[in-house]
Amino acid sequence: DQQVKQNSPSLSVQEGRISILNCDYTNSMFDYFLWYKKYPAEGPTFLISISSIKDKNEDGRFTVFLNKSAKHLSLHIVPSQPGDSAVYFCAASAFEKLTFGTGTRLTIIP
Amino acid sequence: DAGVIQSPRHEVTEMGQEVTLRCKPISGHDYLFWYRQTMMRGLELLIYFNNNVPIDDSGMPEDRFSAKMPNASFSTLKIQPSEPRDSAVYFCASSPGGFSKGYTFGSGTRLTVV
Repeated sequence: DQQVKQNSPSLSVQEGRISILNCDYTNSMFDYFLWYKKYPAEGPTFLISISSIKDKNEDGRFTVFLNKSAKHLSLHIVPSQPGDSAVYFCAASAFEKLTFGTGTRLTIIP
Repeated sequence: DAGVIQSPRHEVTEMGQEVTLRCKPISGHDYLFWYRQTMMRGLELLIYFNNNVPIDDSGMPEDRFSAKMPNASFSTLKIQPSEPRDSAVYFCASSPGGFSKGYTFGSGTRLTVV
């Protein structure tokens, strides 16, 4: 049972436009939600997080939105840059453990 | 700090052989996690340790998998005997606790069992 789901395996966005990556979850016990970015042949690297008591967190070009009633979160990247091309993982934490989604491959088109 | 260090980076082995993956966490991090990445299931948690003690191994797929953490600076994940379906990328990660910034991952070991 996938507690964290990323239903879009891939996404292509023009450079300079907004990239929106989506994630759904089922477990109400999750207290933190995180986004990781992964380049080929490297480990995932932490990008941004949000506490379950907030609905928005912003860090530069990256903003994460949390809709608890819908059990949905999204990552917005504005403006998108070629270096943003990577696989993005959504993750949620509960009881010291992180549960990851299956990832979305983002490709930024120059 | 050199980050989380995993070895080897790549491992190719024959079915039935024993495989040992190694991890050195970041100094001072009390938590260590082993994950497996596959196309179908993404990143799956296999086992995690707190202060060298295994806390949750419910993600370990079978008895063929075992993990140890003999001290704060070293952990191993062993597969014996290995099977082709074990082919995946295995990641080690560590954390000081307080999960608002998640974990720091190593670069992974790509395992191929032929």
